[in-house]
Amino acid sequence: DSGVTQTPKHLITATGQRVTLRCSPRSGDLSVYWYQQSLDQGLQFLIQYYNGEERAKGNILERFSAQQFPDLHSELNLSSLELGDSALYFCASRPPGQGYEAFFGQGTRLTVV
Amino acid sequence: DQQVKQNSPSLSVQEGRISILNCDYTNSMFDYFLWYKKYPAEGPTFLISISSIKDKNEDGRFTVFLNKSAKHLSLHIVPSQPGDSAVYFCAAKSRGSTLGRLYFGRGTQLTVWP
Repeated sequence: DSGVTQTPKHLITATGQRVTLRCSPRSGDLSVYWYQQSLDQGLQFLIQYYNGEERAKGNILERFSAQQFPDLHSELNLSSLELGDSALYFCASRPPGQGYEAFFGQGTRLTVV
Repeated sequence: DQQVKQNSPSLSVQEGRISILNCDYTNSMFDYFLWYKKYPAEGPTFLISISSIKDKNEDGRFTVFLNKSAKHLSLHIVPSQPGDSAVYFCAAKSRGSTLGRLYFGRGTQLTVWP
């Protein structure tokens, strides 16, 4: 158990819909990272938050957005869903400071039908 | 554009033998490299890492080698055990970035058979 909690574990929804994925980081970790893993692909970085503020953006679509709340949990919002958005979405957290690797949650498997 | 490449989708090794997983990268700005292991239905877990200023890092049965001139790294597992069967991801961090913002390869499925 990495200490990073993601809910839900599985999600099936229709095209055009909107979903919210939730991530609770490890206690004390201020940074949250979101990744997408499509079929047979490596993990692709989407976005990073640090203590409530957006810090870095990767290849995140405009239909996707995220935020980190004062209690440090984070949500990834995916809207106008397309079949190609079906993927595993991972959240990771890491402590402040240098030299600490990220800990990943179990992921949310999103299936768009 | 895949900046971290793992060209072998799968590797099968007998228990007790050496497993060698390979990874190539293209970005000269990468200054730190990591290997993550992933079991089914779990998230990736950190295994071992190496800074670009080193060419070898060892942790028990796991050793990572870095050849900067060839932009190549490898993970050696000796001896391999059935519990090592998992997907192994190579990942890299760019200079000036954090250890959470990584570029991942597509992974290599390692199967260790008795």
